[in-house]
Amino acid sequence: ETGVTQTPRHLVMGMTNKKSLKCEQHLGHNAMYWYKQSAKKPLELMFVYSLEERVENNSVPSRFSPECPNSSHLFLHLHTLQPEDSALYLCASSQDRQRELFFGEGSRLTVL
Amino acid sequence: SQKIEQNSEALNIQEGKTATLTCNYTNYSPAYLQWYRQDPGRGPVFLLLIRENEKEKRKERLKVTFDTTLKQSLFHITASQPADSATYLCALALTGGGNKLTFGTGTQLKVEL
Repeated sequence: ETGVTQTPRHLVMGMTNKKSLKCEQHLGHNAMYWYKQSAKKPLELMFVYSLEERVENNSVPSRFSPECPNSSHLFLHLHTLQPEDSALYLCASSQDRQRELFFGEGSRLTVL
Repeated sequence: SQKIEQNSEALNIQEGKTATLTCNYTNYSPAYLQWYRQDPGRGPVFLLLIRENEKEKRKERLKVTFDTTLKQSLFHITASQPADSATYLCALALTGGGNKLTFGTGTQLKVEL
């Protein structure tokens, strides 16, 4: 139990579907992150929210849309995805932005 | 361009030996470096953080060194156990870059009986 919970753990969707990934942290942290992890590639930072404001958008395609309604919750809305978007999507949180990251277990996404 | 390199080949060692993993970087001036452990199908778990002005950090059987001249960090696990088998990731954060960590691809460690 890392204190960061991601749902769903597995998701299969067609290219025309709309779905959302959810992340909740129970650690009282004030920064939250979305990372993408593809096979044989390093973790790629997608978005950073600090104090509920988006402070980083790492050239991510608009078919990925983040939402941070409060400091404990983070969503990643998905629509019109491509098969190459299939990956493990990891949520993380930290206290301030100079500390270690606490990751969730990830959401394994498969786009057909 | 900035680059982080970790051995892509798996490291196989015998139980009880010391495992040493390498993280090299180019074109970075990191403020600090972190090491994470990742098991298959799980999220990474933080292990150690070492700052640019620190040479060495220890935690139980783990030791990390940081040589900013060589642009290299070494991660050691002493008295290794089969339960240490996992993928180990290094990550760098730049000075003034907030917590924008850049990760290496990781090295898989297998500790055999």
